Amino acid sequence: QVKLLQSGAALVKPGASVKMSCKASGYTFTDYWVSWVKQSHGKSLEWIGEIYPNSGATNFNEKFKGKATLTVDKSTSTAYMELSRLTSEDSAIYYCTIRSGGFAYWGQGTLVTVSS
Amino acid sequence: DIQMTQSPASLSASLGETVSIECLASEDIYNNLAWYQQKPGKSPQLLIYYASSLQDGVPSRFSGSGSGTQYSLKINSLESEDAATYFCLQDSEYPWTFGGGTKLELK
Repeated sequence: QVKLLQSGAALVKPGASVKMSCKASGYTFTDYWVSWVKQSHGKSLEWIGEIYPNSGATNFNEKFKGKATLTVDKSTSTAYMELSRLTSEDSAIYYCTIRSGGFAYWGQGTLVTVSS
Repeated sequence: DIQMTQSPASLSASLGETVSIECLASEDIYNNLAWYQQKPGKSPQLLIYYASSLQDGVPSRFSGSGSGTQYSLKINSLESEDAATYFCLQDSEYPWTFGGGTKLELK
């Protein structure tokens, strides 16, 4: 079955960067766009962007351009998202998800806390 | 960006009741609308895609309808496990955008 396993929680200092992972299994990794979604505490969801593993093509929410970098490692079926120049506004849970119909499969989320 | 206005923000209903949640898009999204359920501490789960298609494994008491800019999620015969927050998502035009969420509480 399809699984998306995300890396563990991270505590990072303001101004630093964090890179999180999303390891896919149970399907052909290169066939589906991998999206990343932000959920701030107690708030709604924001789509950050997506990457197509087969080509590395990306689409971004303008709001997150310059903040998020999306990459993949096809050899390990893993997608990565790096967030740079972190502030308290970046503290949130970040999900990876793939679309089959809607976003049918989700990782368990990575909690990022930005604090000095 | 397409704005998704979801209502109500919260809802309290009794077991066995029927409830509806609405999403209004700021422009036509051509049925490219999905509904998700999220329980505390869990990832969102897809309920409905393309406005009215029921995701595999989702109980038939969930249904979606709508067109153009107006869409709704209906939950018939509420069960205790339906207590959750529900979100709509448009994937008609980049950037994909979510509604603000509806928190459903069971009395």
